[in-house]
Amino acid sequence: GAGVSQSPSNKVTEKGKDVELRCDPISGHTALYWYRQSLGQGLEFLIYFQGNSAPDKSGLPSDRFSAERTGGSVSTLTIQRTQQEDSAVYLCASTDRGRLNTEAFFGQGTRLTVV
Amino acid sequence: KNQVEQSPQSLIILEGKNCTLQCNYTVSPFSNLRWYKQDTGRGPVSLTIMTFSENTKSNGRYTATLDADTKQSSLHITASQLSDSASYICVVSAGYNQGGKLIFGQGTELSVKP
Repeated sequence: GAGVSQSPSNKVTEKGKDVELRCDPISGHTALYWYRQSLGQGLEFLIYFQGNSAPDKSGLPSDRFSAERTGGSVSTLTIQRTQQEDSAVYLCASTDRGRLNTEAFFGQGTRLTVV
Repeated sequence: KNQVEQSPQSLIILEGKNCTLQCNYTVSPFSNLRWYKQDTGRGPVSLTIMTFSENTKSNGRYTATLDADTKQSSLHITASQLSDSASYICVVSAGYNQGGKLIFGQGTELSVKP
């Protein structure tokens, strides 16, 4: 696709439910990042994929959070048993690590609201 | 530890004035440094990207500088406009031995008032 695509754009869920967020990176981009941004806060790193593997998942806040990437392309971020503090905008970015000084492109984000 | 620190955390200026945002980093080895602008409710959009060999790069009213020796970068905004109100994020890319990982600063929240 022309850009990084995230879905859904908005998600309202009840506390305790599971949610799945999707990121479709730019075709050919090998690196994919998940971040979240709570209201009034900066970007918080969650997890980094290189291909299908995740060499850095240090930012996942708890074991309720997991992510996978298949075929070196689409990634899903799953939050189990959602809590109100999970409410945030979840941003995905992709970059072609094979090229020095390449650009990183962000999706528009998924706004998650846990009620 | 690889870190990116931005200052100030927030800034309010009057329309038409200039301002400078700072970014200090400890990332080593360093591949490149980027500045992003993020409007409220939107994803970040790239303003500039600089390698260690570049000292300055301009994009319209935005001028970024980089001192790789002191590991400092600045983003200068000239003749600010109301539309410049946004969060400005400094991102440093680590070297290939660290997988080119992107390390983000917490951002500077700029508010331009009429």
